[in-house]
Amino acid sequence: GAGVSQSPRYKVAKRGQDVALRCDPISGHVSLFWYQQALGQGPEFLTYFQNEAQLDKSGLPSDRFFAERPEGSVSTLKIQRTQQEDSAVYLCASSPNRVEQPQHFGDGTRLSIL
Amino acid sequence: AQSVTQLGSHVSVSEGALVLLRCNYSSSVPPYLFWYVQYPNQGLQLLLKYTSAATLVKGINGFEAEFKKSETSFHLTKPSAHMSDAAEYFCAVGGAAGNKLTFGGGTRVLVKP
Repeated sequence: GAGVSQSPRYKVAKRGQDVALRCDPISGHVSLFWYQQALGQGPEFLTYFQNEAQLDKSGLPSDRFFAERPEGSVSTLKIQRTQQEDSAVYLCASSPNRVEQPQHFGDGTRLSIL
Repeated sequence: AQSVTQLGSHVSVSEGALVLLRCNYSSSVPPYLFWYVQYPNQGLQLLLKYTSAATLVKGINGFEAEFKKSETSFHLTKPSAHMSDAAEYFCAVGGAAGNKLTFGGGTRVLVKP
């Protein structure tokens, strides 16, 4: 497709389980971003990749959160030992170069922790 | 440090009326400013951006915003609201060389027929 694709769209997990969220950026885009959007709030920055390099992970809430982009295209956000406060929509976005902010974000993965 | 304040979490306008969404920012470096729109169950779409060129920025769907340094504001306007403008709008600030956006809390727009 032409846009940023995220899967799954919805994920329900029990507290303590591990989850993996996938992001397929627009083909050829250098920069990739992950944001977390809690219900009724604006998105909050999690992490940023330039190709395969994770240049900024300052927004990751704890060491339970891990992101990778091993080949500089698809990215995975992994959350270990999930907690209820991890419930949110996780948004991914990409941009074509090192300086531009995203035009479009993916539709997100809505994560619910029971 | 950077921050964004959007005044009013909800705005209700009549179809055909002016849409005005307020955004004030705080930034220790010359800011890049953005407005995004989010429709239900979708991601964000960039409406317009200010990157230190013209202070009046025109975007998609008839929206525009004016950067006022003295007021640290970047308010979004549209002269005539359409039903399709019903959505949530987010103002965001980024540094000139940074890659991280800081978003406001959002303003939900309701358009009445």
